[in-house]
Amino acid sequence: SQKIEQNSEALNIQEGKTATLTCNYTNYSPAYLQWYRQDPGRGPVFLLLIRENEKEKRKERLKVTFDTTLKQSLFHITASQPADSATYLCALGSGAGSYQLTFGKGTKLSVIP
Amino acid sequence: NAGVTQTPKFQVLKTGQSMTLQCAQDMNHEYMSWYRQDPGMGLRLIHYSVGAGITDQGEVPNGYNVSRSTTEDFPLRLLSAAPSQTSVYFCASYGVEGFLDYGYTFGSGTRLTVV
Repeated sequence: SQKIEQNSEALNIQEGKTATLTCNYTNYSPAYLQWYRQDPGRGPVFLLLIRENEKEKRKERLKVTFDTTLKQSLFHITASQPADSATYLCALGSGAGSYQLTFGKGTKLSVIP
Repeated sequence: NAGVTQTPKFQVLKTGQSMTLQCAQDMNHEYMSWYRQDPGMGLRLIHYSVGAGITDQGEVPNGYNVSRSTTEDFPLRLLSAAPSQTSVYFCASYGVEGFLDYGYTFGSGTRLTVV
């Protein structure tokens, strides 16, 4: 069965450092991968989408990589700030006219001042 | 723009009671979905709709009904609430146009407790 794993439930990092979150998947051939941010008591908010034929995508301090050989995506936040503290979810989509996503369980990031 | 609006935000039900969770979007999105989020389980798809009058089951549909009579509204009905349905429920909408740039738009959730 399809499985998505995010490297850890929680990650603590010092302010100013680069946070790196991992999303691994098995038994899946995604056409694209998305990252969402979720704050406590709120719904997830879309951050970035990367397609299977893209190696890297950037948006401001965010960078996402996608390696279909390793079946892995890395999500980087550079110059991290306490305001970046949240849970980050990865989600995979199969494409082919389908817009359904399968979500990982998320990684809770805490940026310590 | 309001985006996706879910009501109520909190609800306590007794076992066996029924209720409807409301979801409305004002972005003219074709697609809408209901998810439940439980600790350690992540988001799991309950039902989804690809347009008015068309719905389909997701991963965990048992105990829930949906209908989509308009593009804007996608209510989720709990037929006979059970403690196992205690969860946070999220509604999401997404459009074909702009999907790659904007992904899903989620509501703020309904926290349901069944006692």
